[in-house]
Amino acid sequence: QLQLVQSGAEVKKPGASVKVSCEASGYTFTTYGITWVRQAPGQGLEWMGYISVSTGNTNYAQKFQGRVTITADTSTSVVYMELRNLRSDDTAVYFCARGTGTFFHTTRAFDIWGQGTTVTVSS
Amino acid sequence: EIVLTQSPDSLSLSPGERATLSCRASQNVNSYYLAWYQQKPGQAPRLLIYGASNRVTGIPDRFSGSESGTDFTLIISRLEPEDFAVYYCQYFGSSWWPFGQGTKVEIK
Repeated sequence: QLQLVQSGAEVKKPGASVKVSCEASGYTFTTYGITWVRQAPGQGLEWMGYISVSTGNTNYAQKFQGRVTITADTSTSVVYMELRNLRSDDTAVYFCARGTGTFFHTTRAFDIWGQGTTVTVSS
Repeated sequence: EIVLTQSPDSLSLSPGERATLSCRASQNVNSYYLAWYQQKPGQAPRLLIYGASNRVTGIPDRFSGSESGTDFTLIISRLEPEDFAVYYCQYFGSSWWPFGQGTKVEIK
């Protein structure tokens, strides 16, 4: 079954880090890249970054450069997104999604989405 | 840096009516890299259209996409009850992939 399954909800304190996982199944993992998108409460979608699973190359939105790291474990078909130095405005639902291409420049849509992971940052 | 501006922010229509949603890019873009998504409350987004006008397999043909220069349009020809949702456009640029702010289609 073609799907992305994300890890469970997290509650973190300001300044901490969070690592969210996204397990892929039902397709050849290295054929497609994976992206991360977040959505703050009541807000729109915000693209965070991307990993080409076949090469390990990453591209990050400038807003998150230096604070986010996306990695892929091809032995387990899992992609991880770590966000550091959390602030209250990082409270959001974080989605992983599959890109339609193998590489950053061949991607033109996100066709499969995970169910979302709620990350709450509160003191 | 490309910015996508969607209009209107919200649209109040009745089932059976036609919905016209706009997405304007701040500069010339390649329509090959423009996608549309639908999102319902509490759910992940769903891909509807890619390449500005290509409907994903399984998406009803009442959904269509078109382009005119830097303006992109999503049309829902006859709204069904399940179509009331928020719609986002997205562009896959050379260094970043922004979304529009979304258009909420509400039941009148």
